[in-house]
Amino acid sequence: KAGVTQTPRYLIKTRGQQVTLSCSPISGHRSVSWYQQTPGQGLQFLFEYFSETQRNKGNFPGRFSGRQFSNSRSEMNVSTLELGDSALYLCASSLGDTNEKLFFGSGTQLSVL
Amino acid sequence: EDQVTQSPEALRLQEGESSSLNCSYTVSGLRGLFWYRQDPGKGPEFLFTLYSAGEEKEKERLKATLTKKESFLHITAPKPEDSATYLCAASQAQGAQKLVFGQGTRLTINP
Repeated sequence: KAGVTQTPRYLIKTRGQQVTLSCSPISGHRSVSWYQQTPGQGLQFLFEYFSETQRNKGNFPGRFSGRQFSNSRSEMNVSTLELGDSALYLCASSLGDTNEKLFFGSGTQLSVL
Repeated sequence: EDQVTQSPEALRLQEGESSSLNCSYTVSGLRGLFWYRQDPGKGPEFLFTLYSAGEEKEKERLKATLTKKESFLHITAPKPEDSATYLCAASQAQGAQKLVFGQGTRLTINP
């Protein structure tokens, strides 16, 4: 069974640009969560989508947004990039019901110059 | 504010030298306490979920335990391949898919 796939693996952007990251969950998983990982703050929850609806949201500004498609694939968008947005963005999928066991992808490493 | 704190930040052991990692949490309505392992360049890999005080789970050289305020990850006779960052995370009764992570313990096992 294929794992969680995130693309691209690396991205370099400049301040003010926007970026879209993609995540394909494990087949059969309906929940996709996004996390930001930085050396200073560790892993922080961005948002979770379940059956195309945002079910949970973390404490990030509105520049961070996401969506989920009918096939459970998810995208995350960051607009007006800032230097502080440089981080590893991790996607995790799960069955989404009472099972909270998350399966993480390898992440997208975003560098903002 | 919900918080998960792990100690130590880093731990260096000799192969075969057993030790424990600590995770203390202040989370209202704890639903579950999770342990993950993260290798460099990879996403976290699930190890254990603990749901109630007194619960224990084991996997090879690892054993996780839970009290009302903290969790421990015991590593018995570790091998170099156990070197990784170990992350602890908590989920609340509501928002079950939202995890609050600790900063992690970077474990190095020297041969």
